[in-house]
Amino acid sequence: ELKVEQNPLFLSMQEGKNYTIYCNYSTTSDRLYWYRQDPGKSLESLFVLLSNGAVKQEGRLMASLDTKARLSTLHITAAVHDLSATYFCAVDIGVGNKLVFGAGTILRVKS
Amino acid sequence: EPEVTQTPSHQVTQMGQEVILRCVPISNHLYFYWYRQILGQKVEFLVSFYNNEISEKSEIFDDQFSVERPDGSNFTLKIRSTKLEDSAMYFCASSRQGANYGYTFGSGTRLTVV
Repeated sequence: ELKVEQNPLFLSMQEGKNYTIYCNYSTTSDRLYWYRQDPGKSLESLFVLLSNGAVKQEGRLMASLDTKARLSTLHITAAVHDLSATYFCAVDIGVGNKLVFGAGTILRVKS
Repeated sequence: EPEVTQTPSHQVTQMGQEVILRCVPISNHLYFYWYRQILGQKVEFLVSFYNNEISEKSEIFDDQFSVERPDGSNFTLKIRSTKLEDSAMYFCASSRQGANYGYTFGSGTRLTVV
């Protein structure tokens, strides 16, 4: 059974600092997704990573995927308050298959 | 940008009542899903639907749950006899054919069972 683990589960950062969120999964897959969720809102797609070594960047966020280590990272550069949200990674094992989510990382960026 | 539309945004129902949650997936998507998120917890898969039939369902998706795509555009989740523990945010999602596309989630329906 596919399991997805994220850490940390809660992250409090100062503005301007860098940090990394980690996502490990248990079954071979080269399909990993990162989502952002604001309180009471839906899941906003951030990154779709579909191959080993994939790296994508959008603004202050950069995501990478190492399928051999079954590990993805979401790196935050020079955090700003607007990045405060919950970040989820999710994995599937093929087109049309279910997504299995990690527990989520609550990010709070303090001014 | 195309969206997945869900209605209602919030529904309050009495325990034991039936509810129907509605979704309009993106028109050229072929795979449809329901997920739920109990407040403060992670997102859990309920069911996937392809080619007019269920392709996978989780242990949560018991006999009280059913899905339908009645008219080629709507995708519905029915809970026959709601329980208090069914209170959650329910998300509909859809995806396209092909390996390079992700999933688009709707804005969710907050179901409160009292």
